[in-house]
Amino acid sequence: AQSVTQPDIHITVSEGASLELRCNYSYGATPYLFWYVQSPGQGLQLLLKYFSGDTLVQGIKGFEAEFKRSQSSFNLRKPSVHWSDAAEYFCAAYPGGYNKLIFGAGTRLAVHP
Amino acid sequence: KAGVTQTPRYLIKTRGQQVTLSCSPISGHRSVSWYQQTPGQGLQFLFEYFSETQRNKGNFPGRFSGRQFSNSRSEMNVSTLELGDSALYLCASSPGTADTQYFGPGTRLTVL
Repeated sequence: AQSVTQPDIHITVSEGASLELRCNYSYGATPYLFWYVQSPGQGLQLLLKYFSGDTLVQGIKGFEAEFKRSQSSFNLRKPSVHWSDAAEYFCAAYPGGYNKLIFGAGTRLAVHP
Repeated sequence: KAGVTQTPRYLIKTRGQQVTLSCSPISGHRSVSWYQQTPGQGLQFLFEYFSETQRNKGNFPGRFSGRQFSNSRSEMNVSTLELGDSALYLCASSPGTADTQYFGPGTRLTVL
């Protein structure tokens, strides 16, 4: 079945440390891939997306993600985390066809001062 | 451009009642999708409308329905509410097909 997996449910990092959130997808072809962030009680904000082309994509708030076809992964990275980055992060994919996003379970990020 | 708006932001209903949620997409966007978010099941796709036609539907019972109007605004309706329908309902709009979806702030539904 088509799926998106985020192996880490919770991650805690210190402010200023680097961050990598993992995402793996299970599809026959390369899907369109997204990372969204959700603050408590809020909707989802798009961080970045990958449709095709350059496998390293830049997003907002200093985030970037790298698509690796051989590993079926689309990991999110940030070189230096700020306290305001504490939130829940969702990886998502279009398996194809219409506008039906498949989401991972999310990774909750805590940032220690 | 104004973002996606959803009304109301919060709702409290009792079991057996029905509820209607509203979503106004970004101007010019023709696609509106609905998602349910719960702690146990995460984010799940409900359905998608494009130019007033439902194009895709998730695995939810028939109590969940929706529609889209000619101005692209969309409503979803849940009839005969159950406790398990308590969730954050998110609406997303998109310019076209397989395009980026932009989410609204959600409607928090609590069923007592």
